[in-house]
Amino acid sequence: AAGVIQSPRHLIKEKRETATLKCYPIPRHDTVYWYQQGPGQDPQFLISFYEKMQSDKGSIPDRFSAQQFSDYHSELNMSSLELGDSALYFCATRTSGTHEQFFGPGTRLTVL
Amino acid sequence: KNEVEQSPQNLTAQEGEFITINCSYSVGISALHWLQQHPGGGIVSLFMLSSGKKKHGRLIATINIQEKHSSLHITASHPRDSAVYICAVPVLHGSGNTGKLIFGQGTTLQVKP
Repeated sequence: AAGVIQSPRHLIKEKRETATLKCYPIPRHDTVYWYQQGPGQDPQFLISFYEKMQSDKGSIPDRFSAQQFSDYHSELNMSSLELGDSALYFCATRTSGTHEQFFGPGTRLTVL
Repeated sequence: KNEVEQSPQNLTAQEGEFITINCSYSVGISALHWLQQHPGGGIVSLFMLSSGKKKHGRLIATINIQEKHSSLHITASHPRDSAVYICAVPVLHGSGNTGKLIFGQGTTLQVKP
């Protein structure tokens, strides 16, 4: 069965560079959540989308932006990268109105 | 006090032992997730439950809504079970489930051969 796909799986960037992370939901999933998990830290909610509209916003820096496209995939754009942005970024998707969420494998971002 | 608390934070067991990880939460929930994360790896969903008990292979999850408590049990533990186990609950807003998750701090399990 198809799962949540994230790309790239690993990404190395220099400080002040930009990065784009992608999340492809399971078919018919209309809701996407983005989380950031720093080394040794609990995951923190960044932002979510439902039907291509932002539905909630968490502790997402102003340097980051995100959107959900017509095919329901979502992209997290990160600019002016800082060392502290090094983390695992994972998305979770679901069909609105249901409880079950499915998790992507994550993108491990390293900022040098 | 965190809204989702797990115990123990670290657990070392010998292969074959029965393992229990506990999760207590202080918020109203519609469901609770148990997740697994291997070192350097992504998050894998083990269970989502809103009542009673679920079993998958050697893993069993239970939840007591009244007591706001859930447990994850591993029977006949194996070194490949070594991972971080995380419980997470979705935030409720008004009458709805936002789906946004609050995570426990995780339990690091090491099973020795």
